[in-house]
Amino acid sequence: DTEVTQTPKHLVMGMTNKKSLKCEQHMGHRAMYWYKQKAKKPPELMFVYSYEKLSINESVPSRFSPECPNSSLLNLHLHALQPEDSALYLCASSRLQYTGELFFGEGSRLTVL
Amino acid sequence: QQQVKQSPQSLIVQKGGISIINCAYENTAFDYFPWYQQFPGKGPALLIAIRPDVSEKKEGRFTISFNKSAKQFSLHIMDSQPGDSATYFCAASNEGDDKIIFGKGTRLHILP
Repeated sequence: DTEVTQTPKHLVMGMTNKKSLKCEQHMGHRAMYWYKQKAKKPPELMFVYSYEKLSINESVPSRFSPECPNSSLLNLHLHALQPEDSALYLCASSRLQYTGELFFGEGSRLTVL
Repeated sequence: QQQVKQSPQSLIVQKGGISIINCAYENTAFDYFPWYQQFPGKGPALLIAIRPDVSEKKEGRFTISFNKSAKQFSLHIMDSQPGDSATYFCAASNEGDDKIIFGKGTRLHILP
């Protein structure tokens, strides 16, 4: 199984809502990532978890809150988002944190009204 | 010094032609150079990757050429097909560093 599964595929939320994005991998990878991608731009790193511990936070606003319940699961909790946060949110995993071979999910398309 | 510069921004190639995308980097500590392919509405997928100890790597119709002295690497797609139409990102990373650096992407369109 070489898949990274993300849910939901599409999400529309208001600025006062609380929602969560979910990601799952069963490749035994020990590093998991959240990326944000705007149209016609490369993925932009948000968070990295290594061995279930937060390793990197790229100065992401606190309205985005990551969580890694176990080595297979990664969540991104969303609260009080702004319209400019509308983007494709990509989850990725890699065997270890420092390898460049990332396996991406299909992403969650988020629209903030 | 952490940038990876990618060109062209967009590319149109006839079916059967050769598509060439170029990337340049400054950080000589980079030791892994992957290319990712992204179709609309999908996540990026690793296409092919190279390490600086070789000058070329070929997988099917896809070839990476690597010039260590010039700090440049390129993706060649031979016999380009309409199904190759996608956005391609070059990238670079260094084992021990904290993240992978992406180029800005090339939107490739293959004319049928």
